[in-house]
Amino acid sequence: EIVMTQSPATLSVSPGGRATLSCRASQSVSSNLAWYQQKPGQAPRLLIYGASNRAAGIPARFSGSGSGTEFTLTISSLQSEDFALYYCQQYNNWPPLTFGGGTKVEIK
Amino acid sequence: EVQLLESGGGLVQPGGSLRLSCAASGFTLSSYSMNWVRQAPGKGLEWVSYISISRSTIFYADSVKGRFTISRDNAKNSLYLQMNSLRDEDTAVYFCASRGVEPTFDFWGQGTLVTVSS
Repeated sequence: EIVMTQSPATLSVSPGGRATLSCRASQSVSSNLAWYQQKPGQAPRLLIYGASNRAAGIPARFSGSGSGTEFTLTISSLQSEDFALYYCQQYNNWPPLTFGGGTKVEIK
Repeated sequence: EVQLLESGGGLVQPGGSLRLSCAASGFTLSSYSMNWVRQAPGKGLEWVSYISISRSTIFYADSVKGRFTISRDNAKNSLYLQMNSLRDEDTAVYFCASRGVEPTFDFWGQGTLVTVSS
């Protein structure tokens, strides 16, 4: 099973600031990585697939990068609606499909 | 409006059973492979099970293998999860989610809470 590790657990950022979230895989997942956003009491929403492709309707301030074992989600200018939990997920080697433990982006 | 709506959650004793349903509206569930994903209270996301469009491919997480059964009725535009021999650690919100072109979770329902407790 591929283990996904996200850091930091919590990231404090000022509105308008830049957030950089990390995700590491226990072995290479090529570019088969997705990112999700989850707000309290809501279902997750797909943001990024293929490590760097934005899903339909996702604003350009969200960008993904990386390949192999190291990945980054960058939110370039945080809006109030971006303060949420973010999860990475690998789909290179499955089953199982595995998620990271999440990063909470909070208001500084 | 496109919707996936889960139902069937509730309180059940350890060792008991529940059957979850996921009904689609404005969404042709029969055109998509589907998944169940769960989230324990205050915890992260855990993939539970996958079923292909034709039901020819089914996968389970090790944590539920032999206890849970995924199924679908394409004519009814619905997905199901039969959960037997429930344990305390199965307590979670259960989401149904469609697979996209990639094995990602592209569209999600709002979830149904399953609580296993005596």
